[in-house]
Amino acid sequence: AQSVTQLGSHVSVSEGALVLLRCNYSSSVPPYLFWYVQYPNQGLQLLLKYTSAATLVKGINGFEAEFKKSETSFHLTKPSAHMSDAAEYFCAVSERGYQKVTFGTGTKLQVIP
Amino acid sequence: EAQVTQNPRYLITVTGKKLTVTCSQNMNHEYMSWYRQDPGLGLRQIYYSMNVEVTDKGDVPEGYKVSRKEKRNFPLILESPSPNQTSLYFCASSGGPGSGQPQHFGDGTRLSIL
Repeated sequence: AQSVTQLGSHVSVSEGALVLLRCNYSSSVPPYLFWYVQYPNQGLQLLLKYTSAATLVKGINGFEAEFKKSETSFHLTKPSAHMSDAAEYFCAVSERGYQKVTFGTGTKLQVIP
Repeated sequence: EAQVTQNPRYLITVTGKKLTVTCSQNMNHEYMSWYRQDPGLGLRQIYYSMNVEVTDKGDVPEGYKVSRKEKRNFPLILESPSPNQTSLYFCASSGGPGSGQPQHFGDGTRLSIL
């Protein structure tokens, strides 16, 4: 069975500081991993995805994530936070050949001026 | 423009009054899914559909029904809504998460069951 754990339901960073949002997964087969962002009163938008082509994945808005099989992690990072990055971020996993998607509980990012 | 459209966006209703939330996508996706979002619980999958007339339960299907008579539409039906179904609901479509395709989400429907 697949699962996702996001450590920290709320994360605060100063504008210009490094953003690090943590995601650990569990999967019995090689997974697909996704990060989505949700702005207030909107649906989720894809930030980036891992499909095994490369372990370091670059996404939109300067975000990137690294797949580490040994640590079962897929943490999201951005070198310098902008005010516009304030949103809720969700990590999700699906397993190859299966259509079930499991989401983490989300991390709300606050950016302090 | 590629999009997933949900209606209504907001609904306040009473216990026991049947309601339907519609979902339509224009991307010719085979896979469609419904989620509910609750504070601290993230998104939980209610039902999903692999194709026309093919549906399956997600993690929290109790109290919900779905149908997939056409590829583009995937309505969510609450036959007898109860207050614990008050939530924010999202419809999504995809080429297939099992093949690494991401999902496209609607803007959400906020349901309040009194």
